Amino acid sequence: GQQLNQSPQSMFIQEGEDVSMNCTSSSIFNTWLWYKQDPGEGPVLLIALYKAGELTSNGRLTAQFGITRKDSFLNISASIPSDVGIYFCAGIRAAYNTDKLIFGTGTRLQVFP
Amino acid sequence: DAGVIQSPRHEVTEMGQEVTLRCKPISGHDYLFWYRQTMMRGLELLIYFNNNVPIDDSGMPEDRFSAKMPNASFSTLKIQPSEPRDSAVYFCASRSDRALDEQYFGPGTRLTVT
Repeated sequence: GQQLNQSPQSMFIQEGEDVSMNCTSSSIFNTWLWYKQDPGEGPVLLIALYKAGELTSNGRLTAQFGITRKDSFLNISASIPSDVGIYFCAGIRAAYNTDKLIFGTGTRLQVFP
Repeated sequence: DAGVIQSPRHEVTEMGQEVTLRCKPISGHDYLFWYRQTMMRGLELLIYFNNNVPIDDSGMPEDRFSAKMPNASFSTLKIQPSEPRDSAVYFCASRSDRALDEQYFGPGTRLTVT
């Protein structure tokens, strides 16, 4: 099935560093969601975005709905070891009367103390 | 509040056997989604229900797969007969009609078919 392009595929960073990842598509989206998945668990919803240009924070996490509606960004400030996991973007395409989420390929984050 | 509940958490079965995965959505949620996750294909939507009615099953890979939702608090995904390529993690997610597009996932069932 279709997936969103997510980058980078993986990141290895030092504790305390900031992290940036993004999700892009050739299609326009009405909704962007960011999830985190820990090993052996289901994805957990972090942030939901519903309006172009919207900037939303959840603790140290900040996500933005791109102004073109074709991309979204997630930033994590001052990373800590428990930030380790796989981060997925997901979205619902405009012009489709559907409830179906399209998922990104994931960014695997590793944080070293 | 209890989240989405899935059972079993792990299932190991032999090729040709029937497998039934179970899901209890969050109480009050109107939508239920079944996903499959593999390394090769990522997260794929298999089927989803709204008010217990299947809306889109275009992601169901073959006739060997079937899903039911007999009531608002229970759904099953059945594979009969199972094959080794069905090995994956199967997730159930639910969503409220009033919470826009936010889906909440269960812990998943890791299926291994030998």
